[in-house]
Amino acid sequence: DSGVTQTPKHLITATGQRVTLRCSPRSGDLSVYWYQQSLDQGLQFLIQYYNGEERAKGNILERFSAQQFPDLHSELNLSSLELGDSALYFCASSRGVNYGYTFGSGTRLTVV
Amino acid sequence: AQTVTQSQPEMSVQEAETVTLSCTYDTSESDYYLFWYKQPPSRQMILVIRQEAYKQQNATENRFSVNFQKAAKSFSLKISDSQLGDAAMYFCAYRSELLGSQGNLIFGKGTKLSVKP
Repeated sequence: DSGVTQTPKHLITATGQRVTLRCSPRSGDLSVYWYQQSLDQGLQFLIQYYNGEERAKGNILERFSAQQFPDLHSELNLSSLELGDSALYFCASSRGVNYGYTFGSGTRLTVV
Repeated sequence: AQTVTQSQPEMSVQEAETVTLSCTYDTSESDYYLFWYKQPPSRQMILVIRQEAYKQQNATENRFSVNFQKAAKSFSLKISDSQLGDAAMYFCAYRSELLGSQGNLIFGKGTKLSVKP
């Protein structure tokens, strides 16, 4: 157990639907990062939150949004889902710039 | 923008032997961190080793060590006494230390390592 909890582990949904992925960071970590891992794109940075505020955006689609709550858990919302959104979505947390991330076990999203 | 390149999509090593995975990166920054992550079939991302760019000494973690060549922008991972459990996808990653940078990791495409018994 890495200390970063992601739910659900697996999600199957239809095109056009909306889903919410949840992440609880490791205790004491204020930064949360979301990554998408697909077969052809590797690990792509989506968005970062730090202590409730959006800190950085990467290659995140407009159909995707995220937020971090006062208890520091984060949610990634994916809407108007397309087949190409099928991927493994990772959440990671960090204690600071000189540390690596601690990753959750990911959510496997399958859009059918 | 920074980029990370892993030129070996796949590698294979005999159990108990040594293997080196290559990674090069491109940056104009002088302060940064480099990481190697392991992703076994379980898909969990596991930090293997990290290196601060300002440190000349190569990082070592048990059987894992790096060869960090800052001028050449090279960061290879050496796995000694390879074990079956080392079979995984290995990702090289870069993180800027620049104040105001995004702080996110930039990953290479990965190298799939197979270990033969």
